[in-house]
Amino acid sequence: KAGVTQTPRYLIKTRGQQVTLSCSPISGHRSVSWYQQTPGQGLQFLFEYFSETQRNKGNFPGRFSGRQFSNSRSEMNVSTLELGDSALYLCASSLGIGAGPPRDTQYFGPGTRLTVL
Amino acid sequence: DQQVKQNSPSLSVQEGRISILNCDYTNSMFDYFLWYKKYPAEGPTFLISISSIKDKNEDGRFTVFLNKSAKHLSLHIVPSQPGDSAVYFCAASNYDKVIFGPGTSLSVIP
Repeated sequence: KAGVTQTPRYLIKTRGQQVTLSCSPISGHRSVSWYQQTPGQGLQFLFEYFSETQRNKGNFPGRFSGRQFSNSRSEMNVSTLELGDSALYLCASSLGIGAGPPRDTQYFGPGTRLTVL
Repeated sequence: DQQVKQNSPSLSVQEGRISILNCDYTNSMFDYFLWYKKYPAEGPTFLISISSIKDKNEDGRFTVFLNKSAKHLSLHIVPSQPGDSAVYFCAASNYDKVIFGPGTSLSVIP
């Protein structure tokens, strides 16, 4: 069974640009969550999508948005990039049974390393 | 304001000895706790979890202990192996959201 895939793996952008990251969950998984990882900050929760609907949202500005398609693939968009957006962006998928990821083991992709210059 | 803290950024242990990774949380509403392991260039992988109704959960070489009154949990790895060298993230949830700690980098020395 193929794991969670994320594209691209590496990305370099300049301030003010926008970026779209893609995540393909494990087949059969309906929940996709996005996290931002920066040194010393752990994994910061961005949002979770289930059946094309945003079910949970973290404390990030509106420049961060996402969506989920009918095949459960998800995209994350960051507009007007800032230097502080440089991070590893991780996507995690789960079956989505129950109330959400805490009760439902998440499987992470390898991440997209975004560098903003 | 970090709700989940892992105060040791790094830890070194000899192969065969016990590794103890610690985690503290501030929100008493958290009722489910997880540990993830992350190798470089890979995403985190789920390791073990514990519900707040328990104080211990064991899976092979890995045991998680929960002390609710102290808002503290720990992960014990016995015996430690070189392949356990990775970053370990503690996470806490209040049913619909997961909060991760900053991680502890474990090095197991052969």
